[in-house]
Amino acid sequence: GIQVEQSPPDLILQEGANSTLRCNFSDSVNNLQWFHQNPWGQLINLFYIPSGTKQNGRLSATTVATERYSLLYISSSQTTDSGVYFCAVPNAGNNRKLIWGLGTSLAVNP
Amino acid sequence: DGGITQSPKYLFRKEGQNVTLSCEQNLNHDAMYWYRQDPGQGLRLIYYSQIVNDFQKGDIAEGYSVSREKKESFPLTVTSAQKNPTAFYLCASSRDRGDEQYFGPGTRLTVT
Repeated sequence: GIQVEQSPPDLILQEGANSTLRCNFSDSVNNLQWFHQNPWGQLINLFYIPSGTKQNGRLSATTVATERYSLLYISSSQTTDSGVYFCAVPNAGNNRKLIWGLGTSLAVNP
Repeated sequence: DGGITQSPKYLFRKEGQNVTLSCEQNLNHDAMYWYRQDPGQGLRLIYYSQIVNDFQKGDIAEGYSVSREKKESFPLTVTSAQKNPTAFYLCASSRDRGDEQYFGPGTRLTVT
């Protein structure tokens, strides 16, 4: 089945810094989701992005489906950006269940 | 407000007892899902339902059971057969299978 790999596994930033998180997937997909899990465990939808680029405030995401990767950009990071960032893609089977990466754990220090 | 609610937020049980976790959505979504998350780990799919009165096992269904009698409700029962039930349980829904999934706030279950 499809494999999803995220990098880096851990990231520490100083407030105000920019960062790029990467999600690689092993097969073609027709959509991809980015989530932020905050320290209380809530999973927040960031982007639903099968291809192209989307922006939402200080966050943006780019998926290059032909090269099987997606990037999440965080600019001018804030302490509230801390948490774990996951990407997930649906498998090709009939059930279309999501296959998850292991996440990037981000800590933004004041 | 449209969304997904899970209750309770924290749940404590003694070993050997069954426990049921609630999940309700008012998004009019057809598909619903239950995931388990252990500390420092990703999400693993327990069960999913694509439509009322139908559900399928996910990757780690042993020791769990579900029902889907109403479109808006998808309760999960953690039975005494589940060897390591202590975990964070997340419920999600999507308009249809493969569509964007939205998550509830989760239930932290501790079994001692």
